Amino acid sequence: DSGVTQTPKHLITATGQRVTLRCSPRSGDLSVYWYQQSLDQGLQFLIQYYNGEERAKGNILERFSAQQFPDLHSELNLSSLELGDSALYFCASSVATRIAGSTDTQYFGPGTRLTVL
Amino acid sequence: GESVGLHLPTLSVQEGDNSIINCAYSNSASDYFIWYKQESGKGPQFIIDIRSNMDKRQGQRVTVLLNKTVKHLSLQIAATQPGDSAVYFCAERGGSYIPTFGRGTSLIVHP
Repeated sequence: DSGVTQTPKHLITATGQRVTLRCSPRSGDLSVYWYQQSLDQGLQFLIQYYNGEERAKGNILERFSAQQFPDLHSELNLSSLELGDSALYFCASSVATRIAGSTDTQYFGPGTRLTVL
Repeated sequence: GESVGLHLPTLSVQEGDNSIINCAYSNSASDYFIWYKQESGKGPQFIIDIRSNMDKRQGQRVTVLLNKTVKHLSLQIAATQPGDSAVYFCAERGGSYIPTFGRGTSLIVHP
């Protein structure tokens, strides 16, 4: 158990709908990362939040957005869903101190499997 | 090229054998490398890491080797067990602090 929790575990919805995925980081971790994993794309970085602020952006669609709340949990919002959005969505957390020489290892949650019908 | 799922590179070994999983990375400026294990239906699990100022690091039954000259990383698993069956990802990280993940290798351990 990594200490990172994600809900829900499974989500089935229809095209055009909007869903929210939730992540709670490990105790003490200030940073949250969102990843999408699909069969043909591997593990793709979407976005990072650090202590409530967006820190880095990856291959995140405009239909997707995220935020990190004062208690450090994060939500990933996916809207106008398409069939191609079906994937596993992982959250990871790290201390993210960016101190020179730090490893800042990311620890992953169990994921949310999204199926868009 | 490689892809996740049915088209992943696969390594099949017998229980008790040693396994070597290889990874080529692309960024010569990467300073930190991580190996993750992902079992079916679970999230990636941290196994071992290595900084670029090292060429070898050992953990419990696992060893990571780094060859910066040819930008190659390997994960050695000693006395492989059925519970080691999973997809193994290498990740490299540079100045952006966001790791880039490889496609993964599927390890199948036969009892």
